[in-house]
Amino acid sequence: EPEVTQTPSHQVTQMGQEVILRCVPISNHLYFYWYRQILGQKVEFLVSFYNNEISEKSEIFDDQFSVERPDGSNFTLKIRSTKLEDSAMYFCASSGAGYGYTFGSGTRLTVV
Amino acid sequence: AQSVTQLDSQVPVFEEAPVELRCNYSSSVSVYLFWYVQYPNQGLQLLLKYLSGSTLVKGINGFEAEFNKSQTSFHLRKPSVHISDTAEYFCAVLETSGSRLTFGEGTQLTVNP
Repeated sequence: EPEVTQTPSHQVTQMGQEVILRCVPISNHLYFYWYRQILGQKVEFLVSFYNNEISEKSEIFDDQFSVERPDGSNFTLKIRSTKLEDSAMYFCASSGAGYGYTFGSGTRLTVV
Repeated sequence: AQSVTQLDSQVPVFEEAPVELRCNYSSSVSVYLFWYVQYPNQGLQLLLKYLSGSTLVKGINGFEAEFNKSQTSFHLRKPSVHISDTAEYFCAVLETSGSRLTFGEGTQLTVNP
């Protein structure tokens, strides 16, 4: 069964550093998303991406965040200057027709 | 804006017992509804979804859910649970014109022998 692949599975970074979280969506999907889950809290929408541009973003997705599809297979989330409160599990997802969102296993980001 | 309320944060049950995980949503427009399961240290796996048609939706692992528009509910049920069903379950809603899934707080289902 096709999978969404996320790397790395766990990343530790110092406050103020830039991080890039990487995702390989399912190959024939056209819609891509990032969500995050702070420990003990609900899963929150960050951003959706379609046709090489952001289609929707939440209030969480401020200027510190950016997304990119640098080639035909990868989809990245960059956090420019990490804060302690950015510590969370970040999930990438993709979907095609039929609203079948497929999520990756997540990247646990720890900011120290 | 839409919102989702999962009425039980924790549901302990014995193996082979039936279970119902409750979900209510709020939205001013038409929505699609989803249930996801998250096993420890894993991602979110789609259990089932309601887009249109029959209000009773069957999913993987023997789960089913019923969409009730008048009560704005989408409760998840399984007639007989297994130890392996122990996981966190998330209800989610998507406005038909939007692209963001809104999740509930999650329900931890623990199946005891």
